[in-house]
Amino acid sequence: AQSVTQLGSHVSVSEGALVLLRCNYSSSVPPYLFWYVQYPNQGLQLLLKYTSAATLVKGINGFEAEFKKSETSFHLTKPSAHMSDAAEYFCAVSDRGTGGFKTIFGAGTRLFVKA
Amino acid sequence: KAGVTQTPRYLIKTRGQQVTLSCSPISGHRSVSWYQQTPGQGLQFLFEYFSETQRNKGNFPGRFSGRQFSNSRSEMNVSTLELGDSALYLCASSASGTGNQPQHFGDGTRLSIL
Repeated sequence: AQSVTQLGSHVSVSEGALVLLRCNYSSSVPPYLFWYVQYPNQGLQLLLKYTSAATLVKGINGFEAEFKKSETSFHLTKPSAHMSDAAEYFCAVSDRGTGGFKTIFGAGTRLFVKA
Repeated sequence: KAGVTQTPRYLIKTRGQQVTLSCSPISGHRSVSWYQQTPGQGLQFLFEYFSETQRNKGNFPGRFSGRQFSNSRSEMNVSTLELGDSALYLCASSASGTGNQPQHFGDGTRLSIL
């Protein structure tokens, strides 16, 4: 079964600083990978997805992620943090179950942005 | 296009009761998945339905059940509620549930057990 590990349950950055949220996956085959963001009292929104078309994936709100097979990583970055980026971020992988795919989520990383 | 709609948004129940949560997927989406989100366990997969059939199931007791109707709307039922069932229950839909398709989430139902 697939799994996802997010390093750091909390990350704090200053406004304007680089955002780096780490994600490692376990997979013996090329995976489908996703990053989602969750704001308080809301569901998850898709930031970006990797489906093997390109290793550098650009998403919404200035976020991007790079797929590195040799490191089994899919880290999320943003060059300059904004106060509105404060939220919880989830890395996820599609896992094929007995009947179809299911999404496996990491534990999440809460991003704090300091003024 | 309307997003995924979950009702109710908030629910308070007592131990031993049962509860039914509802989810209306995005129009045209045939796959509906349910997740339980708690501070301690994070996001845990409950089950996935596609064309009225349960295709995948997570590791939850039989007290948790679901179904999907012909219009793709889905319901989740929890019987004999326990304090530990307090959580945010999220529903997500996708067009066909294949691995490369992202999930579209509703805002969830927050269930509190007293």
